[in-house]
Amino acid sequence: DSGVTQTPKHLITATGQRVTLRCSPRSGDLSVYWYQQSLDQGLQFLIQYYNGEERAKGNILERFSAQQFPDLHSELNLSSLELGDSALYFCASSVSGGAFGELFFGEGSRLTVL
Amino acid sequence: DQQVKQNSPSLSVQEGRISILNCDYTNSMFDYFLWYKKYPAEGPTFLISISSIKDKNEDGRFTVFLNKSAKHLSLHIVPSQPGDSAVYFCAASELSGGGADGLTFGKGTHLIIQP
Repeated sequence: DSGVTQTPKHLITATGQRVTLRCSPRSGDLSVYWYQQSLDQGLQFLIQYYNGEERAKGNILERFSAQQFPDLHSELNLSSLELGDSALYFCASSVSGGAFGELFFGEGSRLTVL
Repeated sequence: DQQVKQNSPSLSVQEGRISILNCDYTNSMFDYFLWYKKYPAEGPTFLISISSIKDKNEDGRFTVFLNKSAKHLSLHIVPSQPGDSAVYFCAASELSGGGADGLTFGKGTHLIIQP
């Protein structure tokens, strides 16, 4: 158990819809990262928050947005969903703001868009 | 453009033998490298890392080698055990740049340990 909690574990929705994925980082970790893993793809970095502030942006689509709340949990919002958004979405956390250390990953949220 | 490449999608090794997983990178600014292991239905877990100031780091059965001139790293597992069957991801970061761009991951290599 990494200490990172992601909900929901599975989500099935239709094209055009909007979903919200939630992540609670390990106790004491200030940084939250979101990654997307599509079929046959590696983990694609989407976005990082550090202590409530956006720290770095990766390959995140404009239809996607995220935020980190004062209690440090984070939400990833995916809107106008397309079939290609079906993927496993991982949240990870770390103590520091730099991604050079060990990241602790949650079990992922599997999104299926039909 | 993939900056971290794991060219072998899968690798099958007999139990007790050595497993060698390879990773190549193209970004010369990367100076910190990590290996993560992932079992089905679980998130990736950190396995071992190496800084670019070293060429080898060892932790028990796991050793990572870094060849900066070739922009290549490898993970050796000796001896391989059934529990090592998993997907292994290579990842890289720019430590000197604060690492604020998130880790860059390869696509992973599925290691299968045969009894």
